[in-house]
Amino acid sequence: GEKVEQHESTLSVREGDSAVINCTYTDTASSYFPWYKQEAGKSLHFVIDIRSNVDRKQSQRLIVLLDKKAKRFSLHITATQPEDSAIYFCAASRHYGNEKITFGAGTKLTIKP
Amino acid sequence: NAGVIQTPRHKVTGKGQEATLWCEPISGHSAVFWYRQTIVQGLEFLTYFRNQAPIDDSGMPKERFSAQMPNQSHSTLKIQSTQPQDSAVYLCASSLLGANTGQLYFGEGSKLTVL
Repeated sequence: GEKVEQHESTLSVREGDSAVINCTYTDTASSYFPWYKQEAGKSLHFVIDIRSNVDRKQSQRLIVLLDKKAKRFSLHITATQPEDSAIYFCAASRHYGNEKITFGAGTKLTIKP
Repeated sequence: NAGVIQTPRHKVTGKGQEATLWCEPISGHSAVFWYRQTIVQGLEFLTYFRNQAPIDDSGMPKERFSAQMPNQSHSTLKIQSTQPQDSAVYLCASSLLGANTGQLYFGEGSKLTVL
C-alpha cells in the first residue's frame, strides 16, 4: 500500500522567514495530495491540496509543489507568523473523495519570535 | 453547522471490556472515515464508508474491531475485548462527495484509554 514519508519531524524557523516541509510517496497511482494542520490539543483541519494535473498551487502564504517524477511534494509557508506553529501532515490518495488518504508522520513547526 | 461530532470525548475502559465510539458527520456529507492517532504510529486509516456502504476496511484489525453506518447521520466504531495497545485518539472525518475538493472535516476525536 501507499507509504508517505515526511522528512522533517521538527522544524524551527524565525518569524517572517519561510518554512518548507518535504514529503515523498510510493504509489505511482496517487493523484491527490492534501495537507492538514493540527494545533496543540486540537483536531486536524485542512489547509491546502494539490492534484497531479498541476505542479504548483498557491493559497495566500501557502505554496504546494509537486514533482511526480520524483514522487515528492512540499509545503512552503512564506512570511511565517506565530499562529503557523502546529503539526503539519502531508497525505496522499489515489483520488480525492473516493479513496482512503494515507498520512505522513507529521512535522512539528515552531515559529520563533 | 456544528461540524463532525464525536462522542464520548474521553473513555477509560479496563482490559477485555468493550468500547463503542460514535460519530455524527456533517449533514449532507456522504463519506465517513475513521482514523486512529497515536504518538508511535501516527495517523492510521481504519475504515471508510460512502453513502453508508463500507468501501474500504483495510486498516481495521479484523478480530476485535467493527464499524457500522446504519444511517446517514451516524457511524459507530466498536472495539471488543479492548487491549492496552488500543489506547489512542480515534478520529472520525466526513467529506462531501461530488464537490470539487477531497477535503476531510475531522471531529475532535475520542480518546480511548485501556487500563
